Amino acid sequence: DAGITQSPRHKVTETGTPVTLRCHQTENHRYMYWYRQDPGHGLRLIHYSYGVKDTDKGEVSDGYSVSRSKTEDFLLTLESATSSQTSVYFCAISESEGTEAFFGQGTRLTVV
Amino acid sequence: DQQVKQNSPSLSVQEGRISILNCDYTNSMFDYFLWYKKYPAEGPTFLISISSIKDKNEDGRFTVFLNKSAKHLSLHIVPSQPGDSAVYFCAASRASGTYKYIFGTGTRLKVLA
Repeated sequence: DAGITQSPRHKVTETGTPVTLRCHQTENHRYMYWYRQDPGHGLRLIHYSYGVKDTDKGEVSDGYSVSRSKTEDFLLTLESATSSQTSVYFCAISESEGTEAFFGQGTRLTVV
Repeated sequence: DQQVKQNSPSLSVQEGRISILNCDYTNSMFDYFLWYKKYPAEGPTFLISISSIKDKNEDGRFTVFLNKSAKHLSLHIVPSQPGDSAVYFCAASRASGTYKYIFGTGTRLKVLA
């Protein structure tokens, strides 16, 4: 398995609170991604990174921000959590363009 | 606007038979396609990929076919086994330039023993 660790694995938080999810990789891969999985929507890209401090928006970026201060860590922040952000969040990494991405185990986030 | 579509939410197949999962895409700039399998409470795992310069790629029981003119790809699993029961996602990307993978909504495959 690719060395990807997501933390926490489960979290329950209240509406309006900030939340940060962490993705840590030991593969030294250049590209990192955050997806959310929801019934009927599959996997939707939130944000991605193509290098340290280089990030861009995905399909569903509203309400989310990211940071990548070093190669191995990619943080996803919900500035003010809403119930619509209840989801399973997956981090993925890839070595280069035209190669497969590897996924972490996921973080189940519930916003109450 | 969904660029990658999997129009069959579910599929049931008898053990030993062929499973065919389909995927359509709309963006002609995609040139690299992938299939992932996902079990409950786990992350998606990579199965097989194909570049747009090919029309077929095989890996054991799994074969992916690409029809560029129809913007269609399919995953064939032969023979199907109960352990293949999972949700299958197709994804599309460009081999250079955009760095990201766009996924379909998934097809739940159930292989009946």
